[in-house]
Amino acid sequence: NAGVMQNPRHLVRRRGQEARLRCSPMKGHSHVYWYRQLPEEGLKFMVYLQKENIIDESGMPKERFSAEFPKEGPSILRIQQVVRGDSAAYFCASSTAVNEQFFGPGTRLTVL
Amino acid sequence: GQQVMQIPQYQHVQEGEDFTTYCNSSTTLSNIQWYKQRPGGHPVFLIQLVKSGEVKKQKRLTFQFGEAKKNSSLHITATQTTDVGTYFCAGMDSSYKLIFGSGTRLLVRP
Repeated sequence: NAGVMQNPRHLVRRRGQEARLRCSPMKGHSHVYWYRQLPEEGLKFMVYLQKENIIDESGMPKERFSAEFPKEGPSILRIQQVVRGDSAAYFCASSTAVNEQFFGPGTRLTVL
Repeated sequence: GQQVMQIPQYQHVQEGEDFTTYCNSSTTLSNIQWYKQRPGGHPVFLIQLVKSGEVKKQKRLTFQFGEAKKNSSLHITATQTTDVGTYFCAGMDSSYKLIFGSGTRLLVRP
C-alpha cells in the first residue's frame, strides 16, 4: 500500500535549465495537488489536477510553469528556464474527492 | 483572496509544558485540517474538523473549530520531544482548495 511517491527527491539545476518533477498518487486517488514551500514558510497552493484535466492552476506562475496528469503515468510539474527563485521544496498531494490530502516526500529543487 | 493566519510563528517550551497554536481565516470555512511536518519531512495529516464548535481529541492533542467556522486551535498537553515539528492549519472554503497557514514551529527542551 504505497503512499504518494515523488521523484527525484533532490534535484539540482543550473539557471536556464528545465526541471521535471514527478508525482505518483496513492492507489485509487484521482485528485492531485502541487504545493511549493520556501524555507521557514508554509505551503503555497500551485495547481489542482484530475486525470487529464487541470481543474485550478491559479497558484501557478503564468510563465515557465506547467503541470499535467495524463491518463497513464505520474503527474508532472515542469519548470522551464529555472531561476534561483525557483529553489524550494515542491510537494505533491493526492486525495479521493475532496478529502484529506496525503503528501509525498517532496522534491527539493536547488537552482545554482 | 482567502487568507489563513496562524500564530505564534515559533514556540519554545520545556518538556512537560503545554502548547497551543491558533488559526484564523478571513472567510468562513467548510472545514479545517491540521498537519504536522517534522524537520526535513513532509506534511502529515492529523485531523479534519467540519462542524461548528467541534472538538476532537487525539491522546494529548485537542483540536477545536470555532462556532463561526473561521478559527481553530490545536492544544498539546504535556509536550514531549517527539512533538517537535511545525504544525500547520489548512482551511478549505466552498471549493476544494486548501489554504495553509504559515505554521507554528514547536521546539521542546528536554
